[in-house]
Formats: sequence, C-alpha cells, structure tokens
Amino acid sequence: NAGVMQNPRHLVRRRGQEARLRCSPMKGHSHVYWYRQLPEEGLKFMVYLQKENIIDESGMPKERFSAEFPKEGPSILRIQQVVRGDSAAYFCASSPPGSITDTQYFGPGTRLTVL
Amino acid sequence: AQSVTQLGSHVSVSEGALVLLRCNYSSSVPPYLFWYVQYPNQGLQLLLKYTSAATLVKGINGFEAEFKKSETSFHLTKPSAHMSDAAEYFCAVSDTWSGAGSYQLTFGKGTKLSVIP
Repeated sequence: NAGVMQNPRHLVRRRGQEARLRCSPMKGHSHVYWYRQLPEEGLKFMVYLQKENIIDESGMPKERFSAEFPKEGPSILRIQQVVRGDSAAYFCASSPPGSITDTQYFGPGTRLTVL
Repeated sequence: AQSVTQLGSHVSVSEGALVLLRCNYSSSVPPYLFWYVQYPNQGLQLLLKYTSAATLVKGINGFEAEFKKSETSFHLTKPSAHMSDAAEYFCAVSDTWSGAGSYQLTFGKGTKLSVIP
C-alpha cells in the first residue's frame, strides 16, 4: 500500500511566479490536510479538504493561496505570485473518513524555494 | 484554543542513556495527543498516539509516552538511546471536533535529538 505521495519534492520559483504542489492520498483515504513548516518552526495547519469540498481553510492566508481536491486526481495547493516568505516545506497528510482518533499519514513534503 | 509547548529545542544524550522529550499542552476539552518523528528531508512518521484509553502509550522503536492530565503533559521517553534515534520530534494535539469540522493537528515547535556515541 503506497503511502502519501507528494510532488515535486523540491520546487524553485522566482518571485511573482506560480507554484503548484500536488498530493495523492493513501488508497482509501478521502480526507486531505495541508500543513506548512517554516524554518525552525513546527507545522502549521492550512486547510482540510474532502473530495470536491473545502471543509476548513482557517489556516490559509487570505490572498494568493488556494487548494482543491477534485473528484479525480490529486489534491493541489496553489500559490500565486509567490514571495520569498512563501519559502517553506509544505506537507500533505491524509486520513480515512471517520473519527478524530484516525491517524494522519504524512507525505515527504515539497520544499519550495522562492528566489 | 489549543497549544503545545515543547521544552528544549535541542536535546543531546549519550548512546544508551535515557531519552526524555517534554511536551505540555493546553486544550479546553479532552485532547488527543500524538508524537511524530521527522528525519532530515523526510515527512513525519507517527511514533504513538493517546486517544483516551490507557494513559501509558507504547509506540514504535521502543518509545512510550504517559498522559498526565493533572500536569497537562505528554512526555516522550525511551530507556536507551540509539544512534538511529537522532531526528526531530514533534508533539501534536487534536481536540474534539472544531466548529469548522476539521481534526487539524496543532504542533509544537519540535525538539531535535542528538545522540552522542
């Protein structure tokens, strides 16, 4: 059973470009979370999605960031007009539908560098 | 609002010595608590989780943690450190269903564990 997959693993963008980060959840998982890890910081929640629905985006910056989880295909975290402060590691986690005690399984992350 | 405090951003122990990583939490409701480990340039791997069953939780790689409600703590221990334990460890809390309906995890800032041969 393949784990959570994220691509690309490393992404370099210049200021003003767009970044697209992809996350394929584990088989059978329909819940996806995105977290951001800044240097020397713990992970911060960004958004929680189920298929075709954004359930909680309370951690998303108000501008330039968006996320989707279509019926088919991976979840996408999109950052428009990137700035240097967006440089971070972005982690996706998935879990099966159900209870709070279900473990969130994390992918290897995408490390975004903005030049 | 829930929060997690990990005392000590860096901890060094000798190989074979006791490992103790501290975690205190605040939560307005009974929490669910997790310890994750992160090796360099990798994702997070679950070590163990507390979900209101036994207060002493055993995890992988010989780690265990004890939930102490009176102290709002969930410290991680291992009797004898191994070189392969060198990594960063994150404590996280998830309390009950939030208003927006998500089980988001709130993480501490992490503790980097070094093991000295």
